[in-house]
This record gives sequence, structure tokens and C-alpha cells, in this order.
Amino acid sequence: ETVMTQSPATLSVSPGERATLSCRASQSVSSNLAWYQQKPGQAPRLLIYGASTRATGIPPRFSGSGSGTEFTLTISSLQSEDFAVYYCQQYNIWPPYSFGQGTKLEIK
Amino acid sequence: EVQLVQSGAEVKKPGESLKISCKGSGYSFTNYWIGWVRQMPGKGLEWMGIIYPGDSDTRYSPSFQGQVSISADKSISTAYLQWGSLKASDTAMFYCARLRDPSSSSPFGYWGQGTLVTVSS
Repeated sequence: ETVMTQSPATLSVSPGERATLSCRASQSVSSNLAWYQQKPGQAPRLLIYGASTRATGIPPRFSGSGSGTEFTLTISSLQSEDFAVYYCQQYNIWPPYSFGQGTKLEIK
Repeated sequence: EVQLVQSGAEVKKPGESLKISCKGSGYSFTNYWIGWVRQMPGKGLEWMGIIYPGDSDTRYSPSFQGQVSISADKSISTAYLQWGSLKASDTAMFYCARLRDPSSSSPFGYWGQGTLVTVSS
């Protein structure tokens, strides 16, 4: 099973600043990596797939990079609605298409 | 518009059985994999398993193999997650989600609203 590890567990950032979230895979997942955003009481929402392609309707302040085992989600100029929990997921080898444990992005 | 509508919240006792549902609409139900994701209270997302309604090909995470059963009825565009004997530790929110693309190598592009299952004596 491919283990996904996210860091940090919690990230405190001020509105308007940049946030950088990391995700590491225990083996190569090529570019088969997605990022999701989950707000309290809501289902997750797909943000990024293919490591760097924004899903439909996702604003350009969200960007993804990386391949193989190291990946990054960057949110430039944080807006109030961006404070949420973010998960990475590999979809290269199943089962399972494992998720990371999540990074909580909170207001500083 | 793609929609996944899940059945309502359930409160069950340990040892009882349960089947929750996820009805897809706005797309060709038989052509896309649908999976189930568990989220225990205050915890992260766990990939449980997935089914291809076209031929009922089903894959389970080793963590959930033998603990739950996933099925689909393509005549009514509905996927199911089933337990034979619930435990208190099954208390969680369960999401169904459809792969973004017809290919199996795809993330979850669409999510249901979630079904809260509470197991308590």
C-alpha cells in the first residue's frame, strides 16, 4: 500500500499571505496525485489533479507541483474562504487510492 | 449536472445490519467507478473501496476487505455500502464519490453529501 504523508499537520497563515503544503508518497505515484479541500460540515472538493491541473472552477491562486514522491500545494494570497483542511491522494496504484492524513490551514 | 445523492442519517445498535445508498444522476452511471470514503469523527479521509457499475467489478482496501460490502444496481443508478454486523467503531460519516474520468486512474471528481452512521447501544 502506498502511504501518503502530509506536512505540516497544522499551518497558521495570515490572510493575504502564501501557504505551502507538502505531501510525500512512500513510493512513486508518477503525477497521479490529487488535492482536495474540505470545510467543516461539507464533503471534500477536488482542487488539483494530475499533480498540477486545476479542477473546474478552482481559482488560479491554487497551484500544484511535483512528481514521483514529492508534491506541493501552494495557495497564493490566502482568502478567508481558503481556511480549511487539505488532503492529498494518490491514484496511481490501488487498492487503495490512499489519502494523506490532512493539513489544517488556520488563520494566524 | 452530475449529482450523487446519499441516503439519510442512520442510528443503529451494535450487531445490527445496514445498507446505505448513493444515487447517481446527470451522467452514464454504468461508465464511471463509484467509491466509498469513511471519515471518523474529527479524523481524515479513508478510501474504503470502489465499484464499476457496468460489470460490478469491485475493489476493496485491505483495511476494509471483509468488513463491508459494496454493490450497485445499474437499473436504478444506485451504489450501496453494506454492513452485516455493525460495531460502535463503525460510527462515522460515509461519502460516496465518483471518479472524475471513465478511466480507473482518476481522482474523485464528484462527491455525495455524506451519510452519518451512528452505532450506539
